[in-house]
Amino acid sequence: AQSVSQHNHHVILSEAASLELGCNYSYGGTVNLFWYVQYPGQHLQLLLKYFSGDPLVKGIKGFEAEFIKSKFSFNLRKPSVQWSDTAEYFCAVNMGADGLTFGKGTHLIIQP
Amino acid sequence: NAGVTQTPKFRVLKTGQSMTLLCAQDMNHEYMYWYRQDPGMGLRLIHYSVGEGTTAKGEVPDGYNVSRLKKQNFLLGLESAAPSQTSVYFCASMPPGAATWRAFFGQGTRLTVV
Repeated sequence: AQSVSQHNHHVILSEAASLELGCNYSYGGTVNLFWYVQYPGQHLQLLLKYFSGDPLVKGIKGFEAEFIKSKFSFNLRKPSVQWSDTAEYFCAVNMGADGLTFGKGTHLIIQP
Repeated sequence: NAGVTQTPKFRVLKTGQSMTLLCAQDMNHEYMYWYRQDPGMGLRLIHYSVGEGTTAKGEVPDGYNVSRLKKQNFLLGLESAAPSQTSVYFCASMPPGAATWRAFFGQGTRLTVV
């Protein structure tokens, strides 16, 4: 079974700092990769997804992620964070109909 | 267009009580899922369904049952609630077809078992 590892459980940054959240997955075959965000008290929203093609994918709110197959990684990046980016971020993989496998999440706090 | 709707949004149960959580989607999706979210654990799959009349176990199925009698509804039942089932429950649906796979989530149900 596939698994997803998110390296940072808690990250604290100042506004305008650059962000990179690590995500590694364990499955060696074809996967679909996702980053979801959960703002306080809200449900999960899709930030971006990778299925195939260009390994650098752009999502909403200025986020992007790079799929590096050789490293089994799908790291999330944003060049300049804002206070409103405070949230929990989840990396997830999917191989088929049996749903998404999520990482344990990274709690991001942006200090003004 | 409501998307994925969960009922109820909040519930407090006493140990041993039973209840059913309802998930309804209006997007004609084949696949539906129930997850639980616990601090530091991410989201873990409880049960899922790939179509009307079908269900399958996920990562943490014990203590839960599900039914998919209608394509648009996916019910999660707790037979005899335990404090360990205190959690936030999320339902999700997904259309079939690799090119469009992404999950749509409901707003969540916060369940407390005392």
